[in-house]
Amino acid sequence: LAKTTQPISMDSYEGQEVNITCSHNNIATNDYITWYQQFPSQGPRFIIQGYKTKVTNEVASLFIPADRKSSTLSLPRVSLSDTAVYYCLVGDVTGGGNKLTFGTGTQLKVEL
Amino acid sequence: DAGVIQSPRHEVTEMGQEVTLRCKPISGHDYLFWYRQTMMRGLELLIYFNNNVPIDDSGMPEDRFSAKMPNASFSTLKIQPSEPRDSAVYFCASSLLQGRRSNEQFFGPGTRLTVL
Repeated sequence: LAKTTQPISMDSYEGQEVNITCSHNNIATNDYITWYQQFPSQGPRFIIQGYKTKVTNEVASLFIPADRKSSTLSLPRVSLSDTAVYYCLVGDVTGGGNKLTFGTGTQLKVEL
Repeated sequence: DAGVIQSPRHEVTEMGQEVTLRCKPISGHDYLFWYRQTMMRGLELLIYFNNNVPIDDSGMPEDRFSAKMPNASFSTLKIQPSEPRDSAVYFCASSLLQGRRSNEQFFGPGTRLTVL
């Protein structure tokens, strides 16, 4: 069963830049790559999305290589409040069709 | 807008009982999604609707699960009969666009289901 994979966890300190990568080898050709943030006991919250190259908004940047088989979420100058689980979301075409598939999630822990 | 509303927030039931989870999407959104989240399997898409019509239910685990969307402002996910392995957090989400144009979904707070 193909998976959309991410590192299980990452640790960082306040003020540092954090880069989280998602591997999605079977991504649907025309679909966006979307990233979400989830705090305990809450639903995921949209962070950023893109189709190719680089996208930047007020909270993050998203880097997508030309083959689109991976993507990297970049959080500049993280703070304690960025401690959360981060997920990528893509359309996966494994086995035919196009199924919305969340990545395995990365627990980010930010310390002082 | 109040966002996506789910009820109940917590449900504890016994094996074999029927469980009904409810969702009210954001007004004007024409896509509605049901997800299940567990430690073992992560976030899984169960089913999604477009304009009240089920589009993809390939994630529904068994015939014990069913979902309906009788109108644009209400959806239910029913499990009958429930089993302990159905214990999970169930999320409802809605969006304006989906797929190549956008995957920006708005999630509800979830329903934590415990089946004893």
